[in-house]
Amino acid sequence: DADVTQTPRNRITKTGKRIMLECSQTKGHDRMYWYRQDPGLGLRLIYYSFDVKDINKGEISDGYSVSRQAQAKFSLSLESAIPNQTALYFCATSPGLTYGYTFGSGTRLTVV
Amino acid sequence: GENVEQHPSTLSVQEGDSAVIKCTYSDSASNYFPWYKQELGKRPQLIIDIRSNVGEKKDQRIAVTLNKTAKHFSLHITETQPEDSAVYFCAARGGSNYQLIWGAGTKLIIKP
Repeated sequence: DADVTQTPRNRITKTGKRIMLECSQTKGHDRMYWYRQDPGLGLRLIYYSFDVKDINKGEISDGYSVSRQAQAKFSLSLESAIPNQTALYFCATSPGLTYGYTFGSGTRLTVV
Repeated sequence: GENVEQHPSTLSVQEGDSAVIKCTYSDSASNYFPWYKQELGKRPQLIIDIRSNVGEKKDQRIAVTLNKTAKHFSLHITETQPEDSAVYFCAARGGSNYQLIWGAGTKLIIKP
């Protein structure tokens, strides 16, 4: 399913480096989300956006920033990566409040 | 704050038997309850959802039931098959910002 595309799929970076994860979608959804998944901890919301001019912090936004460049594009940045940001990152989109999310394939990030 | 508790964390059933996963939510204003399946190394995918004006919904071998009074909802899988092995996440939409609140996940193991 290429509706929600995340790049890169895998990335290894060094502590202190800035890194950007990108998400693009062809579903035409206004709502976009960034989640982090750690083993045994489920999905935790980092940031979400309801439209280009609307950006909101999730439960674990410290150390992250986002940019909504267009309706179809939502990027996540780690300004200065640290090892405990090693995780699987998912982008997701949704058409509305009572509709499910479509997730991207994920980016596996390792900070060494 | 709002939370969703999911039980059990691991469930092992014999192929052909039924599996039931239960989630309890805290926000009585929650009105949308999706279930996601995540196979190893893949993205979470929506398998079924239910809105608060409905008590039960079925789709072939899977069903979801909702008890608003008790604030819990359950996923039922009948005639389990090896391909049902995965991690299942429940979620509830509610709270002050109407975001999905996620359960911690249930690892379902289907024994041959």
